[in-house]
Amino acid sequence: KAGVTQTPRYLIKTRGQQVTLSCSPISGHRSVSWYQQTPGQGLQFLFEYFSETQRNKGNFPGRFSGRQFSNSRSEMNVSTLELGDSALYLCASSPRDWAAYEQYFGPGTRLTVT
Amino acid sequence: KNEVEQSPQNLTAQEGEFITINCSYSVGISALHWLQQHPGGGIVSLFMLSSGKKKHGRLIATINIQEKHSSLHITASHPRDSAVYICAVRTLGNQFYFGTGTSLTVIP
Repeated sequence: KAGVTQTPRYLIKTRGQQVTLSCSPISGHRSVSWYQQTPGQGLQFLFEYFSETQRNKGNFPGRFSGRQFSNSRSEMNVSTLELGDSALYLCASSPRDWAAYEQYFGPGTRLTVT
Repeated sequence: KNEVEQSPQNLTAQEGEFITINCSYSVGISALHWLQQHPGGGIVSLFMLSSGKKKHGRLIATINIQEKHSSLHITASHPRDSAVYICAVRTLGNQFYFGTGTSLTVIP
């Protein structure tokens, strides 16, 4: 089986712009979670989706949004980018939910905001 | 206050040594995960625990729910074990918290 894929892998944006990141889970996995990793804050949870429904959301401003499609692929969007949004954005998939199954992580998208 | 605390923050060991990384948490949890992150960013989930003990090869993870504590042990450490190890929990309220990680370097 192919692993979790994320596109693009690297991205440079300017402050004030918006960005959309994509995550394709492992075939058959219905749960996708998104995380932000920065040197200062470490790993932080953004969203969890299961069967197109957002099940949980972390403590991030409304500029961060996401969605999941019927084929389980997921996108996250960040509007009005700020310098502090520069980070590694990781997604992970699992067959069902985080509490019962291990997570399979993608390679991440490294976003730089200038 | 961090909901998840890991110790030590940094660890250097000689090849072959027995290694222990500790994780303490202050909230009620439904699951605890140990993650491994190599330079370059890729994360691998090593264990998912809700009770007891699990073993994969040279890695052993234990959890004590009453004491809110988990340990990750590496027996016969090897330079390829050099990585950052992160403890992560899902709370009973469906929130996620991560430790700041333990950076392990194993010297040949």
